[in-house]
Amino acid sequence: DIQMTQSPPVLSASVGDRVTLSCKASQNINKNLDWYQQKHGEAPKLLIYYTNNLQTGIPSRFSGSGSGTDYTLTISSLQPEDVATYYCYQYNSGNTFGAGTKLELK
Amino acid sequence: EVQLQQSGPEVGRPGSSVKISCKASGYTFTDYVMNWVKQSPGQGLEWIGWIDPEYGSTDYAEKFKKKATLTADTSSNTAYIQLSSLTSEDTATYFCARGTGPYVMDAWGQGASVTVSS
Repeated sequence: DIQMTQSPPVLSASVGDRVTLSCKASQNINKNLDWYQQKHGEAPKLLIYYTNNLQTGIPSRFSGSGSGTDYTLTISSLQPEDVATYYCYQYNSGNTFGAGTKLELK
Repeated sequence: EVQLQQSGPEVGRPGSSVKISCKASGYTFTDYVMNWVKQSPGQGLEWIGWIDPEYGSTDYAEKFKKKATLTADTSSNTAYIQLSSLTSEDTATYFCARGTGPYVMDAWGQGASVTVSS
């Protein structure tokens, strides 16, 4: 099974900061990776699909990049409403979520 | 507007089964698969499987092949997950999620909690 490792587990940042979340796969996943945002008590929401495609309705401050085993979600200017846990998810071989990065305001 | 409305909380005794529903609206039900995802208390997300409502075909994660059964009723635009032989490990919130591709989950239900308790 492909393992997905997200780092850091917890990230504290200030409003307006540029934030980078990392996701590393145990083997090449050929960009078959999505990012989901889950706010407390809510269902997950699709942010980015196939590595770098912004889902309709998602603010342009969110972007994704990566290839091979290493992938990144970037928030260009952190907003208070971005406080959430972010999960990467691969579907290249099997289907695996990362353990999540909890994003907090400093 | 795409909506996935899930059934309410369930309590099941160890060894029993529960069935959760997910009623879809705002799109053509048979044009998309329906994924199911498990979230244990305070934990991350696990993909359970998907069903193609048009053909009834399914794909399961290995871990859930003996635990979950996915079905769909095209007459009522409703997908179901049945969980059998319940144990404490099944206590969780279960989400349905519309899938394109079929694994890109672009719309989610609100979640349905299952508690296993004697």
